[in-house]
Amino acid sequence: GQNIDQPTEMTATEGAIVQINCTYQTSGFNGLFWYQQHAGEAPTFLSYNVLDGLEEKGRFSSFLSRSKGYSYLLLKELQMKDSASYLCAVPDSNYQLIWGAGTKLIIKP
Amino acid sequence: NAGVTQTPKFRVLKTGQSMTLLCAQDMNHEYMYWYRQDPGMGLRLIHYSVGEGTTAKGEVPDGYNVSRLKKQNFLLGLESAAPSQTSVYFCASSLPPDRVQPQHFGDGTRLSIL
Repeated sequence: GQNIDQPTEMTATEGAIVQINCTYQTSGFNGLFWYQQHAGEAPTFLSYNVLDGLEEKGRFSSFLSRSKGYSYLLLKELQMKDSASYLCAVPDSNYQLIWGAGTKLIIKP
Repeated sequence: NAGVTQTPKFRVLKTGQSMTLLCAQDMNHEYMYWYRQDPGMGLRLIHYSVGEGTTAKGEVPDGYNVSRLKKQNFLLGLESAAPSQTSVYFCASSLPPDRVQPQHFGDGTRLSIL
């Protein structure tokens, strides 16, 4: 079967850096997605990784290690608007997404 | 840019009532999905569609039916609502996922079953 684990909640300070981890177990591998979801809103796409390494996109970066079944989302120069849940998802063998429960990120001034 | 539109945004039902949630997308996407999101759990796929006139079961299909009569619309029906179906329902659409395309989500429907 497939399983995705993320921390339930994290707290960080405005202006700091935070790393949100995601570990997964899949029978095959077709990449890994990160989405952001503000409270009461729809998830929105942040990043996709299929090869090992770091993908940088402005203040947000995503890292993947396929051998370790591990990914992280790195958020730099945190802003209050970054307070949200961050969802990790991997496609199954039919390319349908299996979702983690999400990590709620709380930013304090 | 409308993207994915869900109606209604909120609804309260009594146990045993029926209702239909409507999802419409204007991006000409082939694939459409219905998810439910419950506290402490990830998004769970209810049903999905790979094109007009076709539907398939997801992880949690029991108690729900769907129809895709037009490419741009995907309907989710609850024939006899139960309190366990209280949830936030999200519709999403995408290009064929084997091209690893992101899914685009509607704003959700908050459904309470009393």
